[in-house]
Amino acid sequence: AQKVTQAQTEISVVEKEDVTLDCVYETRDTTYYLFWYKQPPSGELVFLIRRNSFDEQNEISGRYSWNFQKSTSSFNFTITASQVVDSAVYFCALSEPYSGGGADGLTFGKGTHLIIQP
Amino acid sequence: DTGVSQNPRHKITKRGQNVTFRCDPISEHNRLYWYRQTLGQGPEFLTYFQNEAQLEKSRLLSDRFSAERPKGSFSTLEIQRTEQGDSAMYLCASSSYEGRGANVLTFGAGSRLTVL
Repeated sequence: AQKVTQAQTEISVVEKEDVTLDCVYETRDTTYYLFWYKQPPSGELVFLIRRNSFDEQNEISGRYSWNFQKSTSSFNFTITASQVVDSAVYFCALSEPYSGGGADGLTFGKGTHLIIQP
Repeated sequence: DTGVSQNPRHKITKRGQNVTFRCDPISEHNRLYWYRQTLGQGPEFLTYFQNEAQLEKSRLLSDRFSAERPKGSFSTLEIQRTEQGDSAMYLCASSSYEGRGANVLTFGAGSRLTVL
């Protein structure tokens, strides 16, 4: 089973629509971190947010918001009033620092390709 | 500092040849990571360094792959006897230490390898 599942391979919306990208993770650890990264066409992954497993507060940053729910093992990402510049591949990632699989290696999902049409 | 720099950006080689990629991290970052990304997939962890010490290697890093960070600054990733399955984007990232598993990575633009 995948540790990080991003079920939406591709989403296409019209500019100014709201869009939510889903992320479901799997871990047995009580201490872990979740991340979202954006990969624009240039290829360079850009950090968006980090959340630790003990902090379930939702977060809003401008048009971006994140909903972390441990009960459903989900860490969803919403873009409000989308813009063409938001077009990119978005990755959710999990860090399990106390598991045997590496103290610092991130496990990424397969990504969601978001297309914002003008 | 201009971020994480990777060279070359693109490399086309014939099967069986050796290739080397270089990564220059952000100067104040003591951690350096290598990831591999194939088309339609997320990045996969290969290895990481703290200063010059290689602390972790994933099972993806076969014995044809070797990574070094000799002076704790830039790093090289060498692939010997390349195979077509090695075709991928090789991503380098760096970070400062913020806590076990908590580090925010700054990625380079990657080095794309095509093995013919």
